[in-house]
Amino acid sequence: QLQLQESGPGLVKPSETLSLTCSVSGGSISTPNYYWGWIRQPPGKGLEWIGSLYYSGSTFYNPSLKSRVTISADTSKNQFSLKVSSVTAADTAVYFCARELTIFGVAPKGPDVWGQGTTVTVSS
Amino acid sequence: QSVLTQPPSASGTPGQRVTISCSGSSSNIGSDNVNWYQQLPGTAPKLLIYTTDQRPSGVPDRFSGSKSGTSASLAISGLQSEDEADYYCAVWDGSLNGRYVFGTGTKVTVL
Repeated sequence: QLQLQESGPGLVKPSETLSLTCSVSGGSISTPNYYWGWIRQPPGKGLEWIGSLYYSGSTFYNPSLKSRVTISADTSKNQFSLKVSSVTAADTAVYFCARELTIFGVAPKGPDVWGQGTTVTVSS
Repeated sequence: QSVLTQPPSASGTPGQRVTISCSGSSSNIGSDNVNWYQQLPGTAPKLLIYTTDQRPSGVPDRFSGSKSGTSASLAISGLQSEDEADYYCAVWDGSLNGRYVFGTGTKVTVL
């Protein structure tokens, strides 16, 4: 059974870089059948897709965050990571990692398996 | 601001049928398949409907999805107390170099 688990600091200072890791068990991220992505949810608000990574290394990012976001993978550890630079209070959210559906790897078509989420607060 | 618009709330009594709408455009719902997610309080979202009208294994057939033009709908028939949750539609949007977008979300209350 596929499981995803987010990890990383729960508190980040403004202007610094937020770094999270998603550890995957029960399946390999080196598969052409799925993308691997990040989604966030500010307190009391809706879901926002951040971006996704394919096993080939190709990525898709939300244009609203693209200049500050990097998603990368460590296949030896079966993990993928998120970095968001120059954070502000607006980046305070629950961050979820997820496996995402795809059709022939052209683009991500939405999460089907989610991690439990991790809360990140941006504050000095 | 999401490009997919949902009503903020919907409600019904146990056993009733509730329908949630999701309004988009030609660059998203009009050209791709829709997913629906259920988020119970304090938990991660769960895939409820994929490819517009398909249910993952384990999802009751009380939940059904459909699409017409640039709008999609989720129907919950035989509403149960455990259906009280937030529901989000979602789809790939081909504008702005492409991005996956979620709807604004609908809170379903079982009266």
